[in-house]
Amino acid sequence: GDSVTQMEGPVTLSEEAFLTINCTYTATGYPSLFWYVQYPGEGLQLLLKATKADDKGSNKGFEATYRKETTSFHLEKGSVQVSDSAVYFCALKTGFQKLVFGTGTRLLVSP
Amino acid sequence: SAVISQKPSRDICQRGTSLTIQCQVDSQVTMMFWYRQQPGQSLTLIATANQGSEATYESGFVIDKFPISRPNLTFSTLTVSNMSPEDSSIYLCSVPTGGVNGELFFGEGSRLTVL
Repeated sequence: GDSVTQMEGPVTLSEEAFLTINCTYTATGYPSLFWYVQYPGEGLQLLLKATKADDKGSNKGFEATYRKETTSFHLEKGSVQVSDSAVYFCALKTGFQKLVFGTGTRLLVSP
Repeated sequence: SAVISQKPSRDICQRGTSLTIQCQVDSQVTMMFWYRQQPGQSLTLIATANQGSEATYESGFVIDKFPISRPNLTFSTLTVSNMSPEDSSIYLCSVPTGGVNGELFFGEGSRLTVL
């Protein structure tokens, strides 16, 4: 079945450091790919998405490129802030509208 | 986009009791999804609720434990029955938007603690 694999956390960085959170997927067909973020004590929010190969999703300085050849959708940010501390979930969606989530990666950014 | 309201936002429950979670959406939607997020874990789909038909449950989830109602296109309920401490989780309602490539919007979740 469809699945998403994320790097284990926590990822601990200093402010202004470069961030990469790896995400790879297994899916039949051509899924849409998503990154969701869950800030402490809050609900799940969409961060960015990409719907076809080579698409780049971006939002709030975060980027991720849909790489069909490597079945990856790694999340990157050039300079993280303390306010980026959260749990990040990679997810895929097939034509059945259901989201399949990765296990989540906790990011901790210190001043 | 969609605005999703869930009630209760949190509750503490006794073992063996049941609790019903409500999900209200500000627009009409055909499909609604119920997810569970156990402590420190990812989200797992419990079931898909379509208006006018029985909910479709994922492997490992059964109707007797998680009965779902979907009386109209803006509302759904999930009941967690005969609760045990293992049911302590955040339960989230979500709806799709934007067609086949659109994202899911999530409610803020209902955090249940079972003692």
